[in-house]
Amino acid sequence: SYVLTQPPSVSVAPGQTARITCGGNNIGSKSVHWYQQKPGQAPVLVVYDDSDRPSGIPERFSGSNSGNTATLTISRVEAGDEADYYCQVWDSSSDPVFGGGTQLTVL
Amino acid sequence: QVQLVQSGAEVKKPGASVKVSCKASGYTFTSYGISWVRQAPGQGLEWMGWISAYNGNTNYAQKLQGRVTMTTDTSTSTAYMELRSLRSDDTAVYYCARYILHWFDPWGQGTLVTVSS
Repeated sequence: SYVLTQPPSVSVAPGQTARITCGGNNIGSKSVHWYQQKPGQAPVLVVYDDSDRPSGIPERFSGSNSGNTATLTISRVEAGDEADYYCQVWDSSSDPVFGGGTQLTVL
Repeated sequence: QVQLVQSGAEVKKPGASVKVSCKASGYTFTSYGISWVRQAPGQGLEWMGWISAYNGNTNYAQKLQGRVTMTTDTSTSTAYMELRSLRSDDTAVYYCARYILHWFDPWGQGTLVTVSS
């Protein structure tokens, strides 16, 4: 089955830019979706179809996807952005797949 | 607003079954599918399967085939997930989520299922 690889943790100072990667074989040919999960809460969709934002998600959240890496970028990071972030793809030869998750720490 | 509300926490013994409900509101229930995703303590997200609320078609994760059944009741806009022959490693928070094309939005609040003797 298709495998998505995320770094376990990313740290960033407030006001800086956080970049969370999601690696997969030729992931650039697939649509990638990103979820934010705060402790004790359900996941929330923050980016879909590589770079689209659901209504209510700040413009600070953006996504890109090319080659073997998709990236979630969070600009002007705030303390409230501290959470686990998961990437997800749907592969036509597989079931929906999630990455292992990345814990974002705001220093 | 679109909302999914799940049933409450369950404690089950090994070998038992559990059935979790997920009541949808704020949209036309039969226009979307419902997926179930679980998360073991301290672990990541695991997709369990999907059911079409339109015609009841299902697709289950291979590792759960034979133990899981997903159903819907369109009269009450409610989806159900039943897991049988429970084991300790089935202890997890179980989420339902509306399945839109290839992503999940929104998610229910989660239901903790604890399997313990």
